[in-house]
Amino acid sequence: AQSVTQLGSHVSVSEGALVLLRCNYSSSVPPYLFWYVQYPNQGLQLLLKYTTGATLVKGINGFEAEFKKSETSFHLTKPSAHMSDAAEYFCAVVAVGAGSYQLTFGKGTKLSVIP
Amino acid sequence: ETGVTQTPRHLVMGMTNKKSLKCEQHLGHNAMYWYKQSAKKPLELMFVYNFKEQTENNSVPSRFSPECPNSSHLFLHLHTLQPEDSALYLCASSQDRTSEYNEQFFGPGTRLTVL
Repeated sequence: AQSVTQLGSHVSVSEGALVLLRCNYSSSVPPYLFWYVQYPNQGLQLLLKYTTGATLVKGINGFEAEFKKSETSFHLTKPSAHMSDAAEYFCAVVAVGAGSYQLTFGKGTKLSVIP
Repeated sequence: ETGVTQTPRHLVMGMTNKKSLKCEQHLGHNAMYWYKQSAKKPLELMFVYNFKEQTENNSVPSRFSPECPNSSHLFLHLHTLQPEDSALYLCASSQDRTSEYNEQFFGPGTRLTVL
């Protein structure tokens, strides 16, 4: 079975500071990995995804994530936080089985940006 | 309308009421999903429909009854709910259930409160 662990349910950074949200996964097969963002009172929106190829993936709004197989990690980063980045972030892994592909989500990390 | 829409956005119901949640996707997708999002818990996949056929039911109590009349519409019929069923119910869609990339597009959710 696949699983996702997001370290830190709540992260606070100052505006302009580095954002680092941690995600570790477990998977018995090469995973497909995703980061979604949820703004208040909205659904989830895809930030970026890793399937195959380049391990450094760039997404929307200046975010990027690096797939590190040896560390089973897919941490999300942004060089400089903006107030509009305040939201909840979810890491997810695709579980492959029986011809279907089920997303397994982490518990989420709420990001606060301090002016 | 674009993307995935859900109605109503907010719903308050008593334990003896019967209500329905509606989801509509305008993306030409063939797979649709219901998720439950409770505080401090990972997103829980409830039901999956692929080409109008239910492919997954993740041990959801029978007081939740899904319906998928066509690939664009998905309903969740609710009856005799419990207070612990209060949560944000998210609908999502994807191209189909067997796509290895399985990017899901989410609606804004229905905030359900059971009194």
